[in-house]
Amino acid sequence: GNSVTQMEGPVTLSEEAFLTINCTYTATGYPSLFWYVQYPGEGLQLLLKATKADDKGSNKGFEATYRKETTSFHLEKGSVQVSDSAVYFCALMKWGKLIFGQGTELSVKP
Amino acid sequence: EAGVTQFPSHSVIEKGQTVTLRCDPISGHDNLYWYRRVMGKEIKFLLHFVKESKQDESGMPNNRFLAERTGGTYSTLKVQPAELEDSGVYFCASSQERGGLNILSGNEQFFGPGTRLTVL
Repeated sequence: GNSVTQMEGPVTLSEEAFLTINCTYTATGYPSLFWYVQYPGEGLQLLLKATKADDKGSNKGFEATYRKETTSFHLEKGSVQVSDSAVYFCALMKWGKLIFGQGTELSVKP
Repeated sequence: EAGVTQFPSHSVIEKGQTVTLRCDPISGHDNLYWYRRVMGKEIKFLLHFVKESKQDESGMPNNRFLAERTGGTYSTLKVQPAELEDSGVYFCASSQERGGLNILSGNEQFFGPGTRLTVL
């Protein structure tokens, strides 16, 4: 079936460190892929997306590339800030519904 | 433009009681979705409305859960009777595409802040 696996958290980094959150998926066909973010006390927000292989989604300094050969959509940021502390969810869309990974909590310390 | 709103933000009830969660989607969005995150695990799909019709309810856990969207505007999700394992955060989302287009496009679903349900 369709599923998403992302690295477990929590992840704790110092400000300006490099961030990678791994995400791999299992799906038939070529689903659209997403990263959502939930800041403390808020709802889910779309961070970035990619709809076909080799597409790169980017937003707020975050990037992720749709890798069909490795079925991956890893999230990266070159220099994290304290304000990036949140829970990050990788997801794929199949038949109109989102299938999420378990979420990775990121904590950035000054 | 107002976003997706959910009410209440937090509900604490005892096992066996009934709770009704409400979601108001973004105005004009025909598609409305319910999702649930239980105990820090993944967010799971519950069901999808297109206007007032249930398009897909494959994620509803059992018949204690009843979702409605009368008139194709706001939606309610009732849990009756609530069990301990129903505790979690219930998210609502809406999107704009009409008809069956959304099953193929990757268009954005806009999420509400969630309702945290605690069953004691």
